[in-house]
Amino acid sequence: GAGVSQSPSNKVTEKGKDVELRCDPISGHTALYWYRQSLGQGLEFLIYFQGNSAPDKSGLPSDRFSAERTGGSVSTLTIQRTQQEDSAVYLCASSFKAGQGAPLNSPLHFGNGTRLTVT
Amino acid sequence: AQKITQTQPGMFVQEKEAVTLDCTYDTSDPSYGLFWYKQPSSGEMIFLIYQGSYDQQNATEGRYSLNFQKARKSANLVISASQLGDSAMYFCAMREMTGGTSYGKLTFGQGTILTVHP
Repeated sequence: GAGVSQSPSNKVTEKGKDVELRCDPISGHTALYWYRQSLGQGLEFLIYFQGNSAPDKSGLPSDRFSAERTGGSVSTLTIQRTQQEDSAVYLCASSFKAGQGAPLNSPLHFGNGTRLTVT
Repeated sequence: AQKITQTQPGMFVQEKEAVTLDCTYDTSDPSYGLFWYKQPSSGEMIFLIYQGSYDQQNATEGRYSLNFQKARKSANLVISASQLGDSAMYFCAMREMTGGTSYGKLTFGQGTILTVHP
């Protein structure tokens, strides 16, 4: 596909259940980012990958949150034992490259997000 | 301290008028980039314009221009000839070059909701 693809687009889950959110970046983009956006708020950085490595995972709110990326492509964000405060839109983005040597002006290309509701 | 501050929660403008959305930033890095994104009610994030800290001229992209005042650490977005379709949330964001592990991510402000009246 031409853009960043995220699935599911909507997810309703019960408190305490685990959820997996998937992101498929733009082909050829080696950098992948996860952000969280609460209702009417700005974007909160969670983690980013360069290839399969995560040089910066400083934004993950707790150890209930984890993410992985395999084959330098698809990434999965997993939230264990979901809480109501986890309800938000989870946005994934990709760019050509991050880290040393990456262009400063490279914009992030975002998917349409996964709206997570924890009841 | 907030790295990106957008002090206008909401702005209103008449169609065909120009509007300025404010953004101030905080960094000690000499090299950084500033971005503006538009988020319509549909939720997608649309990249609008980029300004580099060493760029001599203010960035322009069609009806969008960036009023970059480096000494004041401000990067205000100017939208000329507003259209009804410009109604959306607008985010200012910054990328800092502080070393390998933090370089890449964008830090976003809280956003400004722009409403264009006919």
